[in-house]
Amino acid sequence: ETGVTQTPRHLVMGMTNKKSLKCEQHLGHNAMYWYKQSAKKPLELMFVYNFKEQTENNSVPSRFSPECPNSSHLFLHLHTLQPEDSALYLCASSQDRGHGQPQHFGDGTRLSIL
Amino acid sequence: AQKVTQAQTEISVVEKEDVTLDCVYETRDTTYYLFWYKQPPSGELVFLIRRNSFDEQNEISGRYSWNFQKSTSSFNFTITASQVVDSAVYFCALSEASTGNQFYFGTGTSLTVIP
Repeated sequence: ETGVTQTPRHLVMGMTNKKSLKCEQHLGHNAMYWYKQSAKKPLELMFVYNFKEQTENNSVPSRFSPECPNSSHLFLHLHTLQPEDSALYLCASSQDRGHGQPQHFGDGTRLSIL
Repeated sequence: AQKVTQAQTEISVVEKEDVTLDCVYETRDTTYYLFWYKQPPSGELVFLIRRNSFDEQNEISGRYSWNFQKSTSSFNFTITASQVVDSAVYFCALSEASTGNQFYFGTGTSLTVIP
């Protein structure tokens, strides 16, 4: 079983839609992350949660809203997105926020904004 | 400024050739970790290796080897006798002690192994 599972794998939405991305980790980790991966650019860290508490928000527009109900689940709520938000959104987890912990990634959600 | 530079955007090799993927990093921390990840077409980033800044020993794992040189701030990755299954995008990443477990990724190197 994959350690970090993301759903859906693909999502196409209009700019006025509201949708949510889901991430679930089965590794017993306490830290979870959202990244955005655009072509030819480094992965961009969006949000970090540690023990369900948000510890970082890297200047992400408010049209992206994270939610972490427990240490195993992480959501990214989307509304009124722009075409430039089309990208691969990756979820990751690590044991905690301790320095040097490997992050384990899901397969990502490929998001296309029409 | 980019903390991790992967100058090779795309590399193509013929199966069974050796290939080295370059990674140069920049940090003022004395304590840091370096990572390599593999991203196959499926999308998932697969963790390959972690090295800390105090351990410059090179590491070998099967056909994979890593050369960490602090003098040149490099952490290069070599695949020996490449195989088609090695085709993927490879990312180098840096984690500094001063910024917790925030990862700084390079832009990745796309490797194509031609049968």
